[in-house]
Amino acid sequence: AQSVSQHNHHVILSEAASLELGCNYSYGGTVNLFWYVQYPGQHLQLLLKYFSGDPLVKGIKGFEAEFIKSKFSFNLRKPSVQWSDTAEYFCAVNGVEGGSYIPTFGRGTSLIVHP
Amino acid sequence: AAGVIQSPRHLIKEKRETATLKCYPIPRHDTVYWYQQGPGQDPQFLISFYEKMQSDKGSIPDRFSAQQFSDYHSELNMSSLELGDSALYFCASSTGRGYNEQFFGPGTRLTVL
Repeated sequence: AQSVSQHNHHVILSEAASLELGCNYSYGGTVNLFWYVQYPGQHLQLLLKYFSGDPLVKGIKGFEAEFIKSKFSFNLRKPSVQWSDTAEYFCAVNGVEGGSYIPTFGRGTSLIVHP
Repeated sequence: AAGVIQSPRHLIKEKRETATLKCYPIPRHDTVYWYQQGPGQDPQFLISFYEKMQSDKGSIPDRFSAQQFSDYHSELNMSSLELGDSALYFCASSTGRGYNEQFFGPGTRLTVL
């Protein structure tokens, strides 16, 4: 079964600090990779996605992620965080398993940015 | 832009009661997903529908059932509710079965007393 592992469950940063959130997945087939963000009191929304091509993908609000196939990783980065980035971040994988498309989410990382 | 609509937003039920949650996908989206998110947990995939047919099944309990109607809206029916069913239930929609990004609704907060 496919799985997604997010290494950091809670991250606390000061504004302007750099951010990297780790995400590893276990799945041998072709996958589409996503990072979703959930701001306080709001629903999940897409931050960025990787389907194919350039493994470095850019998303909204200055976020980017790098797909490293050999490491089964899709880490999220931002060079300088803002207070408004305080949110829950979820890495997700859509893969085909036994003919079924089972979307799998990581446990999420809670990011708190202090002004 | 139109978003995914869920109703009701909040629901309080007693144990052993039933509940029906509704989801209206973004127009022209043909796939609907249901997720359960407990406090501090990741969204757990329950079930999905593609073109009004059940597509994939995740960790949906036997007490729950769902369907997608001709207008593409979907309903999640939950029977014999248990305290552990208290959670946020998200619906998401997308185009194409399974592979594309999902657009999430605001969720229904279900509390079972």
